[in-house]
Amino acid sequence: AQSVTQPDIHITVSEGASLELRCNYSYGATPYLFWYVQSPGQGLQLLLKYFSGDTLVQGIKGFEAEFKRSQSSFNLRKPSVHWSDAAEYFCAVGARAAGNKLTFGGGTRVLVKP
Amino acid sequence: DTGVSQNPRHKITKRGQNVTFRCDPISEHNRLYWYRQTLGQGPEFLTYFQNEAQLEKSRLLSDRFSAERPKGSFSTLEIQRTEQGDSAMYLCASSPPGGTAISPLHFGNGTRLTVT
Repeated sequence: AQSVTQPDIHITVSEGASLELRCNYSYGATPYLFWYVQSPGQGLQLLLKYFSGDTLVQGIKGFEAEFKRSQSSFNLRKPSVHWSDAAEYFCAVGARAAGNKLTFGGGTRVLVKP
Repeated sequence: DTGVSQNPRHKITKRGQNVTFRCDPISEHNRLYWYRQTLGQGPEFLTYFQNEAQLEKSRLLSDRFSAERPKGSFSTLEIQRTEQGDSAMYLCASSPPGGTAISPLHFGNGTRLTVT
């Protein structure tokens, strides 16, 4: 069975500083990996996805993530954070054998200081 | 693409009452998923449909929960005899037919259930 761990529950970052959110997954085969963002009271919006190929993937809103098979990680990064990036971020792993359903991590809440 | 629509956005009910939520997926999407999200947690899978067939149910889905997707379009999630532990955000998502890879899920804004 697949699982996802996001070790950081909260991260506080200053506006303009860089951001990195950690994600570790567990899955026996090649994973399909996703990052979603959720603003308060809203649904989840897809930031980026990794299926295969280049291990550095670009997403929306200036985010990128790097897949490292040896570390079973898929960390999300942004070089310069904006106040509007304050939200909760979820990493997820999916599998075709599992009907494309996604398994989510517990999330990381990002607070942005002015 | 009008997005995934969920109704109602909020529902407050008394313990023991039945509630029903509706999800309208993106029109060309044949897969529909229900997730539950409690405060401070990630979404947890409940069940999913491919067209009108319910293909998988999580063990989280007790016998008080039932989901349907008649005609493979909209879906309903009913909770009977609600309990305070059912208080959560219920998220619906849809995805198009997969090819060689899997398709990302498109989420609605959820229905927040409060059981008093």
